[in-house]
Amino acid sequence: NAGVTQTPKFQVLKTGQSMTLQCAQDMNHNSMYWYRQDPGMGLRLIYYSASEGTTDKGEVPNGYNVSRLNKREFSLRLESAAPSQTSVYFCASRAESSGANVLTFGAGSRLTVL
Amino acid sequence: KQEVTQIPAALSVPEGENLVLNCSFTDSAIYNLQWFRQDPGKGLTSLLLIQSSQREQTSGRLNASLDKSSGRSTLYIAASQPGDSATYLCAVGASGSARQLTFGSGTQLTVLP
Repeated sequence: NAGVTQTPKFQVLKTGQSMTLQCAQDMNHNSMYWYRQDPGMGLRLIYYSASEGTTDKGEVPNGYNVSRLNKREFSLRLESAAPSQTSVYFCASRAESSGANVLTFGAGSRLTVL
Repeated sequence: KQEVTQIPAALSVPEGENLVLNCSFTDSAIYNLQWFRQDPGKGLTSLLLIQSSQREQTSGRLNASLDKSSGRSTLYIAASQPGDSATYLCAVGASGSARQLTFGSGTQLTVLP
């Protein structure tokens, strides 16, 4: 099925370890986003990419890096994980040509940092 | 900085009742507003999108309204069903090429059979 695919779905890390969350969309969307969701705080934007080859910081970028590998893929990297990064991470994409702002979300990646 | 607030945080109603979920935002210079549904352990599903020039949008039993000047939106659910139980999130879209969304923290709705 067409949509946004995130891997892994679950991950447990120790403090200081690194990891990369992968995201791929097959809808030919230009814009892609990484959000984190914490209890009682809604979703907060970490990084976004308005088009292939560009990335920009969102509201909470500290401790993260991103790569827009190509039009389909947008990865999020934690270089040195901290307990404060325990969260559920969502990738999303949007088609710019329509002028609309309807985002398609992945199913989420639940990360626990011990 | 845009801030989005949803009250109440949780709501429980009997099946069949009509209900209203509220969303307020601090900066009225928005591009659009979107309502999402999130089921436990799942991603977000877009329900309704209202452009800044529109007053309301309808889809089936759902009706969303937008009052930019007062910084408010409501999601009306008619004849609620147990299958409507989920968390409903409001998100405000900014202008600009990436049209980032600012989310509220959601209202957790439980519809009792």
